[in-house]
Amino acid sequence: AQKVTQAQTEISVVEKEDVTLDCVYETRDTTYYLFWYKQPPSGELVFLIRRNSFDEQNEISGRYSWNFQKSTSSFNFTITASQVVDSAVYFCAPPPRDFVFGPGTRLSVLP
Amino acid sequence: GAVVSQHPSWVICKSGTSVKIECRSLDFQATTMFWYRQFPKQSLMLMATSNEGSKATYEQGVEKDKFLINHASLTLSTLTVTSAHPEDSSFYICSARSGRDSNEQFFGPGTRLTVL
Repeated sequence: AQKVTQAQTEISVVEKEDVTLDCVYETRDTTYYLFWYKQPPSGELVFLIRRNSFDEQNEISGRYSWNFQKSTSSFNFTITASQVVDSAVYFCAPPPRDFVFGPGTRLSVLP
Repeated sequence: GAVVSQHPSWVICKSGTSVKIECRSLDFQATTMFWYRQFPKQSLMLMATSNEGSKATYEQGVEKDKFLINHASLTLSTLTVTSAHPEDSSFYICSARSGRDSNEQFFGPGTRLTVL
């Protein structure tokens, strides 16, 4: 089974600042997956990225980037030039079989 | 990507009534569906897992007789909150997993239940 920890419960930044959301995971599996989801105030969960343990390359999608490092068991998410619309709760999560969602990180981007 | 819908998106009901929430996978067959509950400013809490054609598996502390789950087909699961009370007011989210990839689930948009 996997466990993920997001130590930051709430973060506030001013628009245009860069912000990194931390995610640390624990697993005994040699093959595993990790996900990031965004939950805006509307409530709907938005899938952002899925990463498997074989792929350690960083991923960039527009203003979003993810840094996956096995050596530190981290899968951090960075938003560059943050915008007010990025305000949401962000969840780092294991696959559904492990079922446990952490509290997430609530990001507030202030104008 | 795969689409999961929920109906209704919000519902207000009187205490003591029953409410049914539907979760549908629109473009894939969902062998497994999950039901979550989320209270304000809290994380998603798994309530139960349902596999098509079999009884749902409930998480500890979730009352089976109060939260009835039916997964009668590969595209539809329903959650019925029986004799709802104000403390059942919450955001209910379903997700679905296809048989092809057990590592991914697709979330519905959620149903906001308010019990007066």
